[in-house]
Amino acid sequence: EAGVAQSPRYKIIEKRQSVAFWCNPISGHATLYWYQQILGQGPKLLIQFQNNGVVDDSQLPKDRFSAERLKGVDSTLKIQPAKLEDSAVYLCASRPGWIFNSGGLADTQYFGPGTRLTVL
Amino acid sequence: AQRVTQPEKLLSVFKGAPVELKCNYSYSGSPELFWYVQYSRQRLQLLLRHISRESIKGFTADLNKGETSFHLKKPFAQEEDSAMYYCALSGSGLRGRAQKLVFGQGTRLTINP
Repeated sequence: EAGVAQSPRYKIIEKRQSVAFWCNPISGHATLYWYQQILGQGPKLLIQFQNNGVVDDSQLPKDRFSAERLKGVDSTLKIQPAKLEDSAVYLCASRPGWIFNSGGLADTQYFGPGTRLTVL
Repeated sequence: AQRVTQPEKLLSVFKGAPVELKCNYSYSGSPELFWYVQYSRQRLQLLLRHISRESIKGFTADLNKGETSFHLKKPFAQEEDSAMYYCALSGSGLRGRAQKLVFGQGTRLTINP
């Protein structure tokens, strides 16, 4: 089974430029996540999709960040315009589907290799 | 609010010694706790989760709701255990929906030969 794919792996841009990241989740996984991991910190969720719908984007800086998953498969995350503080690793993860609370087993999130963004 | 605290950024122990990575959480509901690990040049991956009550690679973790802790333990450390370890929490949310994972800052574990 192929894992979560991300591209590019590295990107260097100047502030105020635009950048886009791509993620292809594991085949059949309904849920897709984008995380931002700043150096020295744990991953922080930016947005969560269930198929092609947004479940949670409460921590997405919507004035400059946008994400879409039009066909419910792959996804793109865009930053426009970039700021210095956007320098981070952007992780994509996927999970098979819904889980139900009340003692049910939690599905595992499978992570991609990440895209390291440097904003100069 | 959901919060995960890993008080040690760095932890260094000798091979064969016991290791304990600390994790404390803050959550008012019934949480699900996880440990994720990232080995050098590899992806972040799930190590274990409290609900499974399993031992993976010799590691165990017990959820202590009274102390709001989920410490990761291994009785005899091995060199291949050197990695970055993240504790994460998923709270119960809307019925039928999974909440997001909230991660701690991570602990870099180094096993010295």
